[in-house]
Amino acid sequence: GAVVSQHPSWVICKSGTSVKIECRSLDFQATTMFWYRQFPKQSLMLMATSNEGSKATYEQGVEKDKFLINHASLTLSTLTVTSAHPEDSSFYICSASSASGYTFGSGTRLTVV
Amino acid sequence: GENVEQHPSTLSVQEGDSAVIKCTYSDSASNYFPWYKQELGKGPQLIIDIRSNVGEKKDQRIAVTLNKTAKHFSLHITETQPEDSAVYFCAASPSGGSNYKLTFGKGTLLTVNP
Repeated sequence: GAVVSQHPSWVICKSGTSVKIECRSLDFQATTMFWYRQFPKQSLMLMATSNEGSKATYEQGVEKDKFLINHASLTLSTLTVTSAHPEDSSFYICSASSASGYTFGSGTRLTVV
Repeated sequence: GENVEQHPSTLSVQEGDSAVIKCTYSDSASNYFPWYKQELGKGPQLIIDIRSNVGEKKDQRIAVTLNKTAKHFSLHITETQPEDSAVYFCAASPSGGSNYKLTFGKGTLLTVNP
């Protein structure tokens, strides 16, 4: 079945630094990937839709200059949290669409100190 | 846009009992309805899905029913086991396997007591 690999699984960074999260589709090509943010005991909140070779589409209220998304190939999308602050601490999850549906990565726990 | 309502928010059952989680959606264009199980600290995992051309789908102890007229779909878990304890999310999309985004319900915390 479709497998999506997300790295790192957790990261701690200092306030003001940038962090990059990678999302790879291992056994299929994903023209579209999605990035979500999840707060404790809440549902997944879509941040942006990433299409290979074009600019990402951000949901209302999501700062595109803070959350940089790059989808340079059919198997890799990256989310970079720039100038991270403690309020950016959260669980970030990527997803890729394929013919069989939507497959999710294992998530990245970001803690900004 | 699409709006997905999910109930209940928490559900506690005894091992061996059945569990039912219900969702309603608003957009008649939605035709793909997946259910995900999320364990603590992990990403959601697809457990079953259904498309609008069928009314019911079953996979061992898990089944999903869909009523397009009423715009609701339900997850049924029979013979529950403690390892079924997790958060379950329903979702809806105009099409599975495309660039259409999924709209999620708020989740149901299922606890199966031994």
